[in-house]
Amino acid sequence: QKEVEQDPGPLSVPEGAIVSLNCTYSNSAFQYFMWYRQYSRKGPELLMYTYSSGNKEDGRFTAQVDKSSKYISLFIRDSQPSDSATYLCAMTSLMDSSYKLIFGSGTRLLVRP
Amino acid sequence: GAGVSQSPSNKVTEKGKDVELRCDPISGHTALYWYRQRLGQGLEFLIYFQGNSAPDKSGLPSDRFSAERTGESVSTLTIQRTQQEDSAVYLCASSKDGNQPQHFGDGTRLSIL
Repeated sequence: QKEVEQDPGPLSVPEGAIVSLNCTYSNSAFQYFMWYRQYSRKGPELLMYTYSSGNKEDGRFTAQVDKSSKYISLFIRDSQPSDSATYLCAMTSLMDSSYKLIFGSGTRLLVRP
Repeated sequence: GAGVSQSPSNKVTEKGKDVELRCDPISGHTALYWYRQRLGQGLEFLIYFQGNSAPDKSGLPSDRFSAERTGESVSTLTIQRTQQEDSAVYLCASSKDGNQPQHFGDGTRLSIL
């Protein structure tokens, strides 16, 4: 079993929809959670990061962490065709002195005009 | 300011050849990471540098893989006697310090014939 599980999709939604992307994890030591967006043939771009349980909002994006359920989510409001990309969740333990990131396999999102 | 820069962007080589991949981190970032991304998969950690030392090499898949960093700046990842399973995108990331968000370059797409 992988440490971080993420549905690969693809997830296809109409423009303007609310998108929900999710990851589950097994290691209770993970404390630092990130979402990256990756366009084709580009490197991952950091969207959101958080240390704590609860919600963190930045513009159209909301990151949600539930440590008791080992479940994280990224919500995208008013989705746009330019949001079409692969979304990667990543996490690390602050007890890991290298802070290396453990990634999900990514969810492909397609926003239809 | 400049982001993480990687070169070459693409590399095609024959099985058995050695390859060298280069990463220029964001100026002032002391932490540097190499990851590998196989087709349709998430990123796998390879090695972590803090300054010029590499306290975590746990992700290097075999002794054919090595990396160095000089001047707390540029890093090179060397793969000797390349095999077809080495075909992947090799991504470099840097952060101000280990516990800060990691920022990625666009990677080197390596193809072994």
